[in-house]
Amino acid sequence: SQQGEEDPQALSIQEGENATMNCSYKTSINNLQWYRQNSGRGLVHLILIRSNEREKHSGRLRVTLDTSKKSSSLLITASRAADTASYFCAWASGAGSYQLTFGKGTKLSVIP
Amino acid sequence: DAGVIQSPRHEVTEMGQEVTLRCKPISGHNSLFWYRQTMMRGLELLIYFNNNVPIDDSGMPEDRFSAKMPNASFSTLKIQPSEPRDSAVYFCATKADTGGPQHFGDGTRLSIL
Repeated sequence: SQQGEEDPQALSIQEGENATMNCSYKTSINNLQWYRQNSGRGLVHLILIRSNEREKHSGRLRVTLDTSKKSSSLLITASRAADTASYFCAWASGAGSYQLTFGKGTKLSVIP
Repeated sequence: DAGVIQSPRHEVTEMGQEVTLRCKPISGHNSLFWYRQTMMRGLELLIYFNNNVPIDDSGMPEDRFSAKMPNASFSTLKIQPSEPRDSAVYFCATKADTGGPQHFGDGTRLSIL
């Protein structure tokens, strides 16, 4: 991809396990965001990490950012069936940071 | 807060017909984005408005696509004439200039036969 990659493309885990999704990008960024999309719905913002931050937490979510490797990861701890969704990273770059470039997403299935 | 409202939720039409997608942004949000989502290409930005003015339309695929924002409460994305390859889910998202994330509508699933 010219813009970046997410892996894995699909992930299936048991309820209670942790889920880790990775994102790589190719430009310099101002911030990186993670979104969630339930089937048939729009994207919902989960968390934003700025380029000068290395780690951020929000509830059961933990995001890391390594700008030297141009990569980020999203960890969902103690997964629940309701976490089943597609997860997308998106990075903002350039003046004004208005434009987000989205990765292709990871489809997470949490089996009860 | 009603969120971003898109209509219709589903549209099925024949090739060559005009298609109009509608978006009502969250009140007070100055920025509005139209995206297209397909399995092959993922989520692509088509056009970005700020304070009702188109700022970046470099993602609009061709002249068959046009977008307007006549006021702060309404935007349309029009395809004329439509083609089967335009089949996708089209999302509208809005954002406040004061910061914060983009808020997405639930999209319009468009099928061109």
